[in-house]
Amino acid sequence: DSGVTQTPKHLITATGQRVTLRCSPRSGDLSVYWYQQSLDQGLQFLIQYYNGEERAKGNILERFSAQQFPDLHSELNLSSLELGDSALYFCASSFGASGEQFFGPGTRLTVL
Amino acid sequence: GESVGLHLPTLSVQEGDNSIINCAYSNSASDYFIWYKQESGKGPQFIIDIRSNMDKRQGQRVTVLLNKTVKHLSLQIAATQPGDSAVYFCAENDNNAGNMLTFGGGTRLMVKP
Repeated sequence: DSGVTQTPKHLITATGQRVTLRCSPRSGDLSVYWYQQSLDQGLQFLIQYYNGEERAKGNILERFSAQQFPDLHSELNLSSLELGDSALYFCASSFGASGEQFFGPGTRLTVL
Repeated sequence: GESVGLHLPTLSVQEGDNSIINCAYSNSASDYFIWYKQESGKGPQFIIDIRSNMDKRQGQRVTVLLNKTVKHLSLQIAATQPGDSAVYFCAENDNNAGNMLTFGGGTRLMVKP
């Protein structure tokens, strides 16, 4: 158990819908990262937040957004969902803005 | 863009043998490399890391080798056990670009009893 928690574990929704994925970092960690793991693209970095501020941005679609709250938990919002958004979404955390990242168990999103 | 890749998608070894998983990276600015293990239904789990100022680092039963000249990374697992069966990913980080990790495509390690 990495200490990173993600909810929900599974999510099934329809195209065009909007969902919110939640992540709680390890106690004391200030950075949160979001990754998408799909069969055709592998594990891809989406975005990093450090102490509430956006730190780095990767291949995140405009339909996706994220934020980190004062209690350091983070949410990833996915809107106008498409079939291709079906994937595992992982959250990771680290103590500082850099350093070892600990991954959560992931949220499996299925878009029908 | 820059990417990290793996030579072998599937590696099958006998229990007790040593395993070697290879990885090629293309970003010469990367200064930190990590190996992750991912078991079915779980998130990636940190195994070992190495910084670009080193060429070898050892952990418990695992060794990572870094060859910056040819941009090659390898993970060696000694005395492979059934519990080592998983998908292994190498990842690279260019600290100048933040702490984002660029992952390779993964290698599935299957350990035969």
